[in-house]
Order: sequence, then C-alpha cells, then structure tokens
Amino acid sequence: AQSVTQLGSHVSVSEGALVLLRCNYSSSVPPYLFWYVQYPNQGLQLLLKYTSAATLVKGINGFEAEFKKSETSFHLTKPSAHMSDAAEYFCAVREDGGSNYKLTFGKGTLLTVNP
Amino acid sequence: GAGVSQTPSNKVTEKGKYVELRCDPISGHTALYWYRQSLGQGPEFLIYFQGTGAADDSGLPNDRFFAVRPEGSVSTLKIQRTERGDSAVYLCASSLRAGGLLKSHEQFFGPGTRLTVL
Repeated sequence: AQSVTQLGSHVSVSEGALVLLRCNYSSSVPPYLFWYVQYPNQGLQLLLKYTSAATLVKGINGFEAEFKKSETSFHLTKPSAHMSDAAEYFCAVREDGGSNYKLTFGKGTLLTVNP
Repeated sequence: GAGVSQTPSNKVTEKGKYVELRCDPISGHTALYWYRQSLGQGPEFLIYFQGTGAADDSGLPNDRFFAVRPEGSVSTLKIQRTERGDSAVYLCASSLRAGGLLKSHEQFFGPGTRLTVL
C-alpha cells in the first residue's frame, strides 16, 4: 500500500529565505509523485509532478522537487520565499494499475512567510 | 473556461439528516473523483468514476455514503443518517482521462463543500 509522510505540519520562513518542505513516500511499485498547493477557500492546485523522466522536477511559481529513490523522498524547495507562497502544501503519491488512479495525500504542511 | 465547481460551498445539517453534495466537473472530463478532507488531514480518496460507472468505491467509509454520476458529467455525493464524524470538506476533482502523466490526466480540484454536522 502507498503512503506519504510530510515532516512538519507547520513551517515558518522569512521572506527571501529558502523554503524546504519534506515528503517521504512508501510505495510497492515505482510511484508517481505530486505536490499540490491549497490557498484558503480554494481548491488544490498542482505545483509539480514526478514522471520518472528526470529526478529534479521544476514546477510553477519557482518551486522544484528532487526525487531520491534511495531516501524515498520528494522534498519541495524554493530558493527565495515570497509572501504569496503562504499556503498549505500537500505531497501525494499515485500507483497506477487497473482502475486505481486515486491520489494518496500526506497530512499537509502549512507554510507561513514572515515579512 | 470554468473549472470544477461544487455546491453548496457550505452545508450545516443536524445529526441523522440526509445531505447531497454536487460536483460539476470540467466539461469533457471523463474521470471524476471525490475526496474527503478532515480537519488537520490531507484529502482522502472516497470514490472514482470513469464515465457513468463507479470504477473504484473502495474509499467510501460505510454504506451511508453513496455517489452517482448518471449522465457521465455532474456527480452527487449522498450521505444518509449523517453523523458528527462526517463533518469535513468534501473535494471533487476531474480529469480528461484517468491515468498517465500527460497534462490531460492531471486532476483539477474544485473548492470543496464544507459539511458541518451538529
């Protein structure tokens, strides 16, 4: 069975500082991995996805994530935080097989950006 | 074009009542998913439709929960005899196709319906 662990339910950074949100996964088959962002009262928006084509994945809004199979990790980073990055971030895994296309999400990490 | 819409945005009901939550997917999307997001948790899968049929309903917590998609577009999640533990945000997502990693297979999420059972 697949699962996702996000370390740190709340991360606080200063504007301009590095953002690092941690995600570890468990999957019995090569996984598809995703990061979503959720702004208040809005739906989940896809930030980036791991396709197995490249281990370093670039997404929207300057975010990127690196897939490390040996560490079963897919951490999300951004070199310089902006106030508009304040939101909740979810890591998700999907195992495709038959009709099973569901996403399994972590519990989320709330990012606060301080001026 | 419009995204995924969900109605109502908020629903307050009393324990034991019946509720219906509606999802309008993006036009032309054949796959539709329902997830439930409890406070402090990530979304949890409930059910997945491919066209009109429920291809995977393994996430429905019990037989009080039921969902339909009669014409392969709009879907309704139905909850009978609501309990306080059903309080959560119910999210709907749609995609052009179910699997794969092409852009067309991305799941697009609606804003959710916040259900409160008193």
